[in-house]
Amino acid sequence: GENVEQHPSTLSVQEGDSAVIKCTYSDSASNYFPWYKQELGKGPQLIIDIRSNVGEKKDQRIAVTLNKTAKHFSLHITETQPEDSAVYFCAASKGYSTLTFGKGTMLLVSP
Amino acid sequence: GAVVSQHPSWVICKSGTSVKIECRSLDFQATTMFWYRQFPKQSLMLMATSNEGSKATYEQGVEKDKFLINHASLTLSTLTVTSAHPEDSSFYICSATGGEETQYFGPGTRLLVL
Repeated sequence: GENVEQHPSTLSVQEGDSAVIKCTYSDSASNYFPWYKQELGKGPQLIIDIRSNVGEKKDQRIAVTLNKTAKHFSLHITETQPEDSAVYFCAASKGYSTLTFGKGTMLLVSP
Repeated sequence: GAVVSQHPSWVICKSGTSVKIECRSLDFQATTMFWYRQFPKQSLMLMATSNEGSKATYEQGVEKDKFLINHASLTLSTLTVTSAHPEDSSFYICSATGGEETQYFGPGTRLLVL
């Protein structure tokens, strides 16, 4: 089955810096890659997703890049703010099948 | 759009009792709903997948007689933890899809079994 590795497990940045979280997947047939933000005590919130027919997608301060050949995808957050502090999960799936999640990255943005 | 609610948000119960958690899609029809369990500082663990009107498909190691899932309509799925024990204490989260790959998650239900 699919295996998703996520790094780093924790990331501390200063406000205004950029943050990058990386994920690799094992199944070359996976074609859908969402990113979720989970605040303490809450459910995951979809922040951006990308499908395998696209190499990059951007939404304001958030961007995701996908390298199908290398089987890895990354989340980029620019101009980080304290409210960006949360746990971020990457995931992968094949079409309409179940999502396989990474283990999560705790992002801490210091003022 | 794509709002999923859960009720209750937290529940405390005595060991041996059953607890029902509801998951609703508020503004779309959920053809598929998923139930996850999450332990502190860990990732989401898929428990089961349910399609409206069909029996749920449980992941390996999840007891279907202990975690009863019903998906009776396109907007409602329920998870019943039967004869709950302290080891069932956890954060339970549902998600729903409306015929696409994207899963929208509910806010979660924290269960504490005394």
